[in-house]
Amino acid sequence: DGGITQSPKYLFRKEGQNVTLSCEQNLNHDAMYWYRQDPGQGLRLIYYSQIVNDFQKGDIAEGYSVSREKKESFPLTVTSAQKNPTAFYLCASSIRAGGELFFGEGSRLTVL
Amino acid sequence: DAKTTQPPSMDCAEGRAANLPCNHSTISGNEYVYWYRQIHSQGPQYIIHGLKNNETNEMASLIITEDRKSSTLILPHATLRDTAVYYCIVRGGANFNKFYFGSGTKLNVKP
Repeated sequence: DGGITQSPKYLFRKEGQNVTLSCEQNLNHDAMYWYRQDPGQGLRLIYYSQIVNDFQKGDIAEGYSVSREKKESFPLTVTSAQKNPTAFYLCASSIRAGGELFFGEGSRLTVL
Repeated sequence: DAKTTQPPSMDCAEGRAANLPCNHSTISGNEYVYWYRQIHSQGPQYIIHGLKNNETNEMASLIITEDRKSSTLILPHATLRDTAVYYCIVRGGANFNKFYFGSGTKLNVKP
């Protein structure tokens, strides 16, 4: 079945360590997105990519980095510069920029 | 971007229609209204979207007022599985590739 796969589902890390969250899609979508969600809050856009080898900062990009070397993959690295990394991270894709979003199941990161 | 206002929570009896309101008074002519829902600790799920006409699909109906300043999502026969947070999103214009999710409405469907 086509869809978006995020891994790992749960991740624990020590403060000061970089962490990379995986996002893979087999929907042949051009655009991919990363969102962050804090408890009781809506989603906030971290980074998005409209096409391979291109990406733009969202509203809260500081402390995060991404790459888009393949159409299917859009990994997110949470760096040690991110002040409050503990959150629920959601990856999404759309057939084209601005199209309907399809979400993965999320990755919950806890920094100890 | 147009921002949206939704009540933080609503209750609905199982089997009854759930009507979820959304205000988007600053919406511009080329911006769409989207609805998504999120069941606890899962990724949001697309429900429906519209520009100015009312829309219906197998999940819900979307009623947009004539002046487009507000809309209502209708779940015709709510079930316990419809308990979720519902997000009303306005998207389009210069930032067409960004979806802005507010805090949404927590719908509690009760038996």
